[in-house]
Amino acid sequence: GQQLNQSPQSMFIQEGEDVSMNCTSSSIFNTWLWYKQDPGEGPVLLIALYKAGELTSNGRLTAQFGITRKDSFLNISASIPSDVGIYFCAGRRTSGSRLTFGEGTQLTVNP
Amino acid sequence: NAGVTQTPKFQVLKTGQSMTLQCAQDMNHNSMYWYRQDPGMGLRLIYYSASEGTTDKGEVPNGYNVSRLNKREFSLRLESAAPSQTSVYFCASSGGGRVYEQYFGPGTRLTVT
Repeated sequence: GQQLNQSPQSMFIQEGEDVSMNCTSSSIFNTWLWYKQDPGEGPVLLIALYKAGELTSNGRLTAQFGITRKDSFLNISASIPSDVGIYFCAGRRTSGSRLTFGEGTQLTVNP
Repeated sequence: NAGVTQTPKFQVLKTGQSMTLQCAQDMNHNSMYWYRQDPGMGLRLIYYSASEGTTDKGEVPNGYNVSRLNKREFSLRLESAAPSQTSVYFCASSGGGRVYEQYFGPGTRLTVT
């Protein structure tokens, strides 16, 4: 099936550092979404992107819809301990509302 | 608003037993989804319902059945549980003006021994 390659798989950073992660595909996507999952909880939607080149922020989080429509990026500035969790990208390819999910980036923030 | 709710939160089954996972949403969404999450594999779609009265297979439907009981409720049934179905199951819904944005429930942690 369709695949999204998310990297890195895990990150270990110090509090205050900036974080970057990305998602790539060999297929074109029309919508990109970024989710965060805390331990023992369901994923929570952070940012949704609808147009190629779109740059959207949510507090310290900024996500971009790649201009090739085959990738997306998430940046977290000035990380804090509560940023710990798994971050997932998800893409919608064509018609319908089905999403394809990446395998996630596990973020650990050391105080 | 409770959003998306799921019951039970935890369940242990023996191989061959059956059970139904329940999901309900109070956001008046048309579409609902069932995913399973396994370590290192992200979220994989089992079944979805684009609207009340319709259901379709996702990426990994074998061993599962679903029922869209009404607009609010979407259940997932395991007729004869197998150890390979040990996983965390998430229900999600989407609809309204942001139809592609899916909202997730808290999950059901299922162990099949």
